[in-house]
Amino acid sequence: QSVLTQPPSVSGAPGQRVSISCTGSSSNIGAPFDVHWYQQLPGTAPKLLIYGNNNRPSGVPDRFSGSKSGTSASLAITGLQAEDEADYYCQSYDRSLRGSVFGGGTKLTVL
Amino acid sequence: EVQLVESGGGLVQPGGSLRLSCAASGFTFSSYWMTWVRQAPGKGLEWVANIKQDGSEKEYVDSVKGRFTISRDNAKNSLYLQINSLRAEDTAMYYCVRWGDQKSSFGLWGQGTLVTVSS
Repeated sequence: QSVLTQPPSVSGAPGQRVSISCTGSSSNIGAPFDVHWYQQLPGTAPKLLIYGNNNRPSGVPDRFSGSKSGTSASLAITGLQAEDEADYYCQSYDRSLRGSVFGGGTKLTVL
Repeated sequence: EVQLVESGGGLVQPGGSLRLSCAASGFTFSSYWMTWVRQAPGKGLEWVANIKQDGSEKEYVDSVKGRFTISRDNAKNSLYLQINSLRAEDTAMYYCVRWGDQKSSFGLWGQGTLVTVSS
């Protein structure tokens, strides 16, 4: 059971928009600690996708965006492409646990 | 090139020990908190441990406290994880990660080293 809750899977057709939720608590996202998102392509290490709730590192397409409200955060992907098929993880810091916490991960399938 | 390269994983019996290493290059290693994150086969990511730039502060997830020790050698640009009393549930890919990039995110990941605990 992960501290941050994500849907196990989402799917969408090429060109469509999908959203992945990340729900936490007043001890982490609502504390408020920043939320970061990572993309893990099959067989590879995770890569930073969104930092500080809604910022993209250099090189990440603007099709990816993040938002945060209260104890939840969301990752949106517009204009879905086949190469977006991957696992996505949210991450924050938890004051009570005194450590970083991850969501359980969401597998994105591009139909 | 900015990179992290892990080594030291392998097959170990329950109750055994391993020392994982991570060689950093291409950036000022001593300026960053460093982290180990693990991923069991087919499962999600789990933060394991953090260490401050000078090694004076360390944090661990509860499940590894007393068994795992994180350390670093800034002169050698290296991060370590000593793992003792290994259990089957410690089987995972262990990633070395740079922490404290933009807004305390995990900005740089190694390729991982696989630890398998089995008799």
